[in-house]
Amino acid sequence: EAAVTQSPRSKVAVTGGKVTLSCHQTNNHDYMYWYRQDTGHGLRLIHYSYVADSTEKGDIPDGYKASRPSQENFSLILELASLSQTAVYFCASSGTGGSGQNTLYFGAGTRLSVL
Amino acid sequence: DAKTTQPDSMESTEGETVHLPCSHATISGNEYIYWYRQVPLQGPEYVTHGLQQNTTNSMAFLAIASDRKSSTLILPHVSLRDAAVYHCILRVYSGGSNYKLTFGKGTLLTVTP
Repeated sequence: EAAVTQSPRSKVAVTGGKVTLSCHQTNNHDYMYWYRQDTGHGLRLIHYSYVADSTEKGDIPDGYKASRPSQENFSLILELASLSQTAVYFCASSGTGGSGQNTLYFGAGTRLSVL
Repeated sequence: DAKTTQPDSMESTEGETVHLPCSHATISGNEYIYWYRQVPLQGPEYVTHGLQQNTTNSMAFLAIASDRKSSTLILPHVSLRDAAVYHCILRVYSGGSNYKLTFGKGTLLTVTP
């Protein structure tokens, strides 16, 4: 069974503080992604990575950094958290290319509240 | 720009067959159509995907129009557990060997007993 584990599951942060969200996958997948979801909206891609030690910008990268120290681990970093970054964050992994190889497997999400 | 258009919500009754429409009028020849569903407090779950031919699995049947500008996810004999937000997404080429899936708001399917 494919598995993507996120930690923490929820977090309260102060404005201006640093926040790190962690993601671990046991799928042996090359691709990993960070999405955010705001209430009543779809998921928006923040950063993704297709190989360790390399990250790519998604559609809304401003205010976020990403780190992929190994194939299994992918972190999302908010250096200076802001109120507008209150959201639910989802990590996902997928295989590479080909038909069906881009099926995303999602974690359960991290609910972040910035006060 | 999600590149797909779906109704905001649909209602059904247990046991019915539900047809969830999706419009993707600007789809490119190599873009796959993916469907995911999401229940509250959980991440999205893969349902099915296709390119040109209709596809079927244990969860659903995906009907793709011959011009590929629209598709319909068909859920036979829905139960209360099928209540979720259903996302229709295109796999978009983003350079090199990279692809992206960009989610829209999806269709909220409500199932009543």
